[in-house]
Amino acid sequence: DQQVKQNSPSLSVQEGRISILNCDYTNSMFDYFLWYKKYPAEGPTFLISISSIKDKNEDGRFTVFLNKSAKHLSLHIVPSQPGDSAVYFCAASAGDMRFGAGTRLTVKP
Amino acid sequence: DTGVSQDPRHKITKRGQNVTFRCDPISEHNRLYWYRQTLGQGPEFLTYFQNEAQLEKSRLLSDRFSAERPKGSFSTLEIQRTEQGDSAMYLCASSLGGTGGTATNEKLFFGSGTQLSVL
Repeated sequence: DQQVKQNSPSLSVQEGRISILNCDYTNSMFDYFLWYKKYPAEGPTFLISISSIKDKNEDGRFTVFLNKSAKHLSLHIVPSQPGDSAVYFCAASAGDMRFGAGTRLTVKP
Repeated sequence: DTGVSQDPRHKITKRGQNVTFRCDPISEHNRLYWYRQTLGQGPEFLTYFQNEAQLEKSRLLSDRFSAERPKGSFSTLEIQRTEQGDSAMYLCASSLGGTGGTATNEKLFFGSGTQLSVL
């Protein structure tokens, strides 16, 4: 049962533009949401998180938005940089943490 | 750097053999998690420990899999009688953890993983 879904396996954007990565979830018990970034041959690294009591959290170029009624969250990266090219995983927690399948972001110079 | 370390980084084995992986978490972290990741998928939860106690096990974890964390520090994951379907990246993560029996509001720090190939 896939409780966290990332429906776009890949995304390509131009350097300097905005990258928007989307994530949907089905379990209304999730109360903490995170985005992880993964480079090849490395484990995922934490990027940004948001509690279910908030609808927005910002950290530098990264902003996560949470829409609880739609069970949807998104990660905005602006401006996008070539070094942001990686696989991004959405995760949600209500105990054990569940991950989406990931979106591969490519930022072209 | 005292991040999460996993050993070995790569393991190639023949079907039917037993394999064991080790994970050393961040020293002050009480919780330790094992995940499995296959190509094109996100990490799948296998099990986690609060100190030395194994608190949750996924239905994915068959009887051939066993995990231990004997002194609440490092952990081992053993797979007996490996099958080709066990081929995956096995990821370990740790977190500070909190009180209580559930692992909500966690920020996981991952190791680089052990890539298992079963021939």
